[in-house]
Amino acid sequence: GQQLNQSPQSMFIQEGEDVSMNCTSSSIFNTWLWYKQDPGEGPVLLIALYKAGELTSNGRLTAQFGITRKDSFLNISASIPSDVGIYFCAGQNKETSGSRLTFGEGTQLTVNP
Amino acid sequence: NAGVTQTPKFRILKIGQSMTLQCTQDMNHNYMYWYRQDPGMGLKLIYYSVGAGITDKGEVPNGYNVSRSTTEDFPLRLELAAPSQTSVYFCASSPMGHLTTNTGELFFGEGSRLTVL
Repeated sequence: GQQLNQSPQSMFIQEGEDVSMNCTSSSIFNTWLWYKQDPGEGPVLLIALYKAGELTSNGRLTAQFGITRKDSFLNISASIPSDVGIYFCAGQNKETSGSRLTFGEGTQLTVNP
Repeated sequence: NAGVTQTPKFRILKIGQSMTLQCTQDMNHNYMYWYRQDPGMGLKLIYYSVGAGITDKGEVPNGYNVSRSTTEDFPLRLELAAPSQTSVYFCASSPMGHLTTNTGELFFGEGSRLTVL
């Protein structure tokens, strides 16, 4: 089946630093989604990308849909303590998998005040 | 704004016991999903449903069963609990299939933490 490789697995940063994480796949996706999961909660959507090359921002978050449709990255600028959590990428290809999403294994982010 | 509601939040089972994880959504979403999340791993799809009366297997369906008698409810049943089913289970719904939306977004419940001893 489709697989997503998400990196890094974990990051330990100081408050104020910028963060970058990415996902790559051997398969093409036509939608990329980035979710954040707070401890004890379900994942919540941060950014959705629908076109190859698309660059979308949501506050301090910026995500891009790779031109090859096989990768995506998420940047967080000027990190703050509440950015702590697990960040998941997810890809969707309606032609091959319908509505199902394929999730990366997550990036655990720790922000030290 | 209830969204997706899961019960129970926590449960401890003995090997061989059975139980049902309940999931209900009040957003009139056609699509519903059950995922499991193991430590350090991503979300693995167990079963999903594209509408009432329709269910289909995901990546890891063995040991589980589902039903979808109404749009709102999508219960997940474990018939013979095994230690390998110790995990956090998430139910999700999606507005996919509605004419007015193209989003792939999933809305998740808060999770049900299951331990099988």
